[in-house]
Amino acid sequence: NAGVTQTPKFQVLKTGQSMTLQCAQDMNHNSMYWYRQDPGMGLRLIYYSASEGTTDKGEVPNGYNVSRLNKREFSLRLESAAPSQTSVYFCASSVLAENKNIQYFGAGTRLSVL
Amino acid sequence: GNSVTQMEGPVTLSEEAFLTINCTYTATGYPSLFWYVQYPGEGLQLLLKATKADDKGSNKGFEATYRKETTSFHLEKGSVQVSDSAVYFCALDTGRRALTFGSGTRLQVQP
Repeated sequence: NAGVTQTPKFQVLKTGQSMTLQCAQDMNHNSMYWYRQDPGMGLRLIYYSASEGTTDKGEVPNGYNVSRLNKREFSLRLESAAPSQTSVYFCASSVLAENKNIQYFGAGTRLSVL
Repeated sequence: GNSVTQMEGPVTLSEEAFLTINCTYTATGYPSLFWYVQYPGEGLQLLLKATKADDKGSNKGFEATYRKETTSFHLEKGSVQVSDSAVYFCALDTGRRALTFGSGTRLQVQP
């Protein structure tokens, strides 16, 4: 009953450090997404992957890279962290049901960049 | 482009009060509409959905009706509980890529 699992839950970085946020889903979904959540701005799409082997930029991709390692896993990498990347990051996966895109979210990673 | 506008919070209510959280949208075509809920320290969970005009989504006592003429999808509940305290997000899907979310409305229910 795991659903979408994100690691780590919390992380503090110094400016310029790199890190990878991990995401895995066990629902056999084709599509996966990375969002960031900032106060007063809702969720904004960073990158998404419609299927294994494909990735596309979302609304705010600058400063990030992604890898769709296999159908289950979709990682988000910050090569050189900046304070503007302090945020809560959510991974999601989705299935098309009755032509509706139902998304399932992980619990989030809270990242602070000092 | 697509956008979702929600009423600003926080909304503070007493237990058993009536709740309305307003949501209006701008979109091309005929989007599906969603309400997601985020409890403290957790990810977003789908609360309810509607896929066409005049559809009513409902779940856990919450309801929302897809009004195409007013481009609205307001969330309502007749009697809120303390356990309903959370952040509520309105979202739309036009079938292109990911969902478009509103900025969220925090609900605080006091005993």
